[in-house]
Amino acid sequence: NAGVTQTPKFRVLKTGQSMTLLCAQDMNHEYMYWYRQDPGMGLRLIHYSVGEGTTAKGEVPDGYNVSRLKKQNFLLGLESAAPSQTSVYFCASSNVRDRELADEQFFGPGTRLTVL
Amino acid sequence: QKEVEQDPGPLSVPEGAIVSLNCTYSNSAFQYFMWYRQYSRKGPELLMYTYSSGNKEDGRFTAQVDKSSKYISLFIRDSQPSDSATYLCAMSVEGFKTIFGAGTRLFVKA
Repeated sequence: NAGVTQTPKFRVLKTGQSMTLLCAQDMNHEYMYWYRQDPGMGLRLIHYSVGEGTTAKGEVPDGYNVSRLKKQNFLLGLESAAPSQTSVYFCASSNVRDRELADEQFFGPGTRLTVL
Repeated sequence: QKEVEQDPGPLSVPEGAIVSLNCTYSNSAFQYFMWYRQYSRKGPELLMYTYSSGNKEDGRFTAQVDKSSKYISLFIRDSQPSDSATYLCAMSVEGFKTIFGAGTRLFVKA
């Protein structure tokens, strides 16, 4: 099992360029998430999905779009990159659990994005 | 004010010390309380979780939740250099939309 994988690992963009980050999981998880991690800010939820074909906004969705056409994949798009989107992006997945069991999220290795 | 507050550190301790990491929160509806560990340039991994109040122990790690004070703690006994990492507290209302603290960087010196 590869767990959660992210592509690419690193990327440098110029302001205004677009790109798509790909997340794939092989654990048959229902839920998938995109976070950004910035110094002093912790992990902030961008968008999430509770199943194939569904997406929802998280805490910081502006400037990002997502799609979940297949259960195992969750794509994060930046239509017009800005320097404020320089960050480390993490994808995570989890599954529905019994009520008293916490949602254990499995994280990918991250994508380091720099926008110049 | 952030929903979850966590001192970013860094915290530096000698090997064998007892480490105490803490978070405070403002949302009284949180029911699930978690601690994630994140090594440098890696994704976070779940370390401990507690549902509602109380204590939970796993080896050298103990997690405590005090809902009346809106305060959670993680204790590490007999700390090891391999415990050097960033520790993120996390909590949620529903069990899947999780709010993370900023993380505390811990260094354990050999």
